[in-house]
This record gives sequence, C-alpha cells and structure tokens, in this order.
Amino acid sequence: EAGVTQSPTHLIKTRGQQATLRCSPISGHTSVYWYQQALGLGLQFLLWYDEGEERNRGNFPPRFSGRQFPNYSSELNVNALELEDSALYLCASSLGTAFAWGNTIYFGEGSWLTVV
Amino acid sequence: AQSVTQLGSHVSVSEGALVLLRCNYSSSVPPYLFWYVQYPNQGLQLLLKYTTGATLVKGINGFEAEFKKSETSFHLTKPSAHMSDAAEYFCAVRRGANNLFFGTGTRLTVIP
Repeated sequence: EAGVTQSPTHLIKTRGQQATLRCSPISGHTSVYWYQQALGLGLQFLLWYDEGEERNRGNFPPRFSGRQFPNYSSELNVNALELEDSALYLCASSLGTAFAWGNTIYFGEGSWLTVV
Repeated sequence: AQSVTQLGSHVSVSEGALVLLRCNYSSSVPPYLFWYVQYPNQGLQLLLKYTTGATLVKGINGFEAEFKKSETSFHLTKPSAHMSDAAEYFCAVRRGANNLFFGTGTRLTVIP
C-alpha cells in the first residue's frame, strides 16, 4: 500500500513568488495535515484538512493557504514567498478521527522549498 | 495545552551501548504520546505510540518507551545502538481533537 506521497521533492523559488506543494494521502485517509520544518524552529503545525474543509490552522500568516480536493489529496500554497519560508514541508494523513481506535498520523517524505 | 519537552538536542552513544532519549510531557488530560524518527532527508516515521493500556510500549527497530505518569515522562530506549539508528527523534503529544505537538527533536549520533 502506498504511503503519503508529496511532490515536488525539491522546489526553488524567488522571493515574492508563489509556491504550490502537493500531497496524496494514504488510501482511505480523509484527513491531511501540513507541517513546516524550518531550520532551528522544529516542526510547526500549519494546516489540517478533513473532508474538504479546513479544520484548524497553526500560527502562520494568511499567505499560507491550501485546499483539499474531493479525492482527499491536498495542496499547500505559499504566496509572496519570503526567505524564511525556506523549509521542509511535511504532509501527513490519518483516518478522520486520528486518535480513535488507535489511528495514527502518517507522514510523507516532504517537499524541500528553497527561497532565494 | 498539551506539550512535550525533549531533553538534549544531541545525544551520542557508542555502537552497542544503551540508547536513552528523554521526553517529558505536560497534559491536563490523559495524554496520547508518540515517538517519530526522521532519517536524513526523509519524512517522519512512527516508532511507537502510547494511548491507553500497557505503559511499556514496544515499537519498531527494537525501540521501546515507558509511560510514567508520576514522572510525566515518556523516554525512548533501545538496549543496543546500531549505526543505522543515527537519526533525529521527535517526541509528540496529541493536542486537541486531531493534532500533534512535537518536541524540538534529539539528534542521535552512533559512534563506531
């Protein structure tokens, strides 16, 4: 069974541009999460989507946005890129109720975004 | 809100020695606790988790962790380190209905 898949693996953008990152959850998973792993800042929660709706967001500005499609895949958009947006962006998925019945959040391998 | 603190951003052990990575949690409700491992240039992989029941949890690759409520700890151990264990390890706690709060990570170096 395929795990969480993310694309692209690496992305280089110029400051001020927009970046779009994509994620396909594990088959059957309806919840998708986005995390940012920036150097020196650890893993920071960005967004949670479930059944096509944004359910929660972390402490990030509105230029970080995303959406979830009917097939539960998701994309993360970062507008007006800043140098400090350079990070590994991790997508994860779970069954809707992540912590019920032992369900767990599973992570993809991430997309490296470099802003120059 | 639920949180975790990992003690020691870097830990070095000799190959064959005991691995001990420390994690303390703060939670006003019974916590769900997790350990994830991140190998270089890869995403996070679940090592083990504690939700309810047995306080000693066994995970993959020979790792285990013990939930100690009296000490608010969930330390990760492995009796004998292997070179392939070199990675970054993250402790995490369930926060809210459907979210994880991660510790700052501990980088494990295994010395041959």
